Amino acid sequence: AQTVTQSQPEMSVQEAETVTLSCTYDTSESDYYLFWYKQPPSRQMILVIRQEAYKQQNATENRFSVNFQKAAKSFSLKISDSQLGDAAMYFCAYTNTGNQFYFGTGTSLTVIP
Amino acid sequence: GAGVSQSPSNKVTEKGKDVELRCDPISGHTALYWYRQRLGQGLEFLIYFQGNSAPDKSGLPSDRFSAERTGESVSTLTIQRTQQEDSAVYLCASSERGSITDTQYFGPGTRLTVL
Repeated sequence: AQTVTQSQPEMSVQEAETVTLSCTYDTSESDYYLFWYKQPPSRQMILVIRQEAYKQQNATENRFSVNFQKAAKSFSLKISDSQLGDAAMYFCAYTNTGNQFYFGTGTSLTVIP
Repeated sequence: GAGVSQSPSNKVTEKGKDVELRCDPISGHTALYWYRQRLGQGLEFLIYFQGNSAPDKSGLPSDRFSAERTGESVSTLTIQRTQQEDSAVYLCASSERGSITDTQYFGPGTRLTVL
């Protein structure tokens, strides 16, 4: 069964600094997608970044980048130049089918001014 | 509409009552998902609709839970004889085709409290 683990319930970062959120997953599939979603207090989940497992190059979206280690089944999110608006819950997610998605338990990120 | 909408935003009910939660997906999106998010937990997949195909109900936790979707529009999630452990935020999402490459767009959720 696929599982997604986020071992950091809470993280904090100083404004303008860099923070890395960790995620590991378990799967026997070779082709799949990994995601990071952001959930602010408004509860609206927003896709931050997506990584295709067959692509070796790490995905990047502006200040957000991932470190995808397929052999280690690790998928961490790096937020550079942290901003106050980055404060939210961050969820790591996995799918290999497009219809069933598996989410981690989330990391609450606090940005300190 | 511009995004996925859900109603009500909050629902308080008594144990044993039935509740109905509504989701309006983005117009034109053929795929629709329901998730449950318990306090301090990640999202738990409940059910998936794709066009006119039979829904994937494998995530529904019990036969008290059911969901319907009218064509490619509104969906309702019904919980019968609610229990306190049903208290959670119920999130709906839609995507263009339900393809693995599609982005899911989430609604703001319905917070259900069962007393």
